[in-house]
Amino acid sequence: GAGVSQTPSNKVTEKGKYVELRCDPISGHTALYWYRQSLGQGPEFLIYFQGTGAADDSGLPNDRFFAVRPEGSVSTLKIQRTERGDSAVYLCASSLGGVGTYEQYFGPGTRLTVT
Amino acid sequence: GQQLNQSPQSMFIQEGEDVSMNCTSSSIFNTWLWYKQDPGEGPVLLIALYKAGELTSNGRLTAQFGITRKDSFLNISASIPSDVGIYFCAGQEGGSEKLVFGKGTKLTVNP
Repeated sequence: GAGVSQTPSNKVTEKGKYVELRCDPISGHTALYWYRQSLGQGPEFLIYFQGTGAADDSGLPNDRFFAVRPEGSVSTLKIQRTERGDSAVYLCASSLGGVGTYEQYFGPGTRLTVT
Repeated sequence: GQQLNQSPQSMFIQEGEDVSMNCTSSSIFNTWLWYKQDPGEGPVLLIALYKAGELTSNGRLTAQFGITRKDSFLNISASIPSDVGIYFCAGQEGGSEKLVFGKGTKLTVNP
């Protein structure tokens, strides 16, 4: 079946601009996660959705970062006033979302470059 | 942010050799997962472990959830060139849905 998809695959933007990154989870998965991966590092957690609500946003670095999942499926990660330090690969993952289901399946990521 | 201690950082082996890598944490985890990531791709789930002491295999891969719940290891037997990539361990703490990742072990297999 179809896996997690993310668009765009690459995004180059100028410092100060606004960007939106999209994630389409595996069909039927109620849990959705955003992670950020810098070069040479493992993914770092940003935010977790169960259904439409953000159940844990403790990983968002500051208030320039925001994410939504209005219908409980597709999610959009929004970054305002981008900074060069925001450059990274943004990964989305989804899981079934039931108790004890911690197997998260990742998309290919969006590589964000802020110039 | 918090990360797991994963070792070794990199490994260079000959095709056919066995490989072992491990992950340790100062925190107790309820779940351990192992992922493989190829360049330009997202991590791919290899094995998930849910119980302390659990030993699980997936083909040539075997992983164990440490008895203390603070460590896990991954073994790859009879390595082949397509095993090349970066292997990440990830842990999930009780009361949290997020995964905490190690920094990865980069595996190179010489044919």
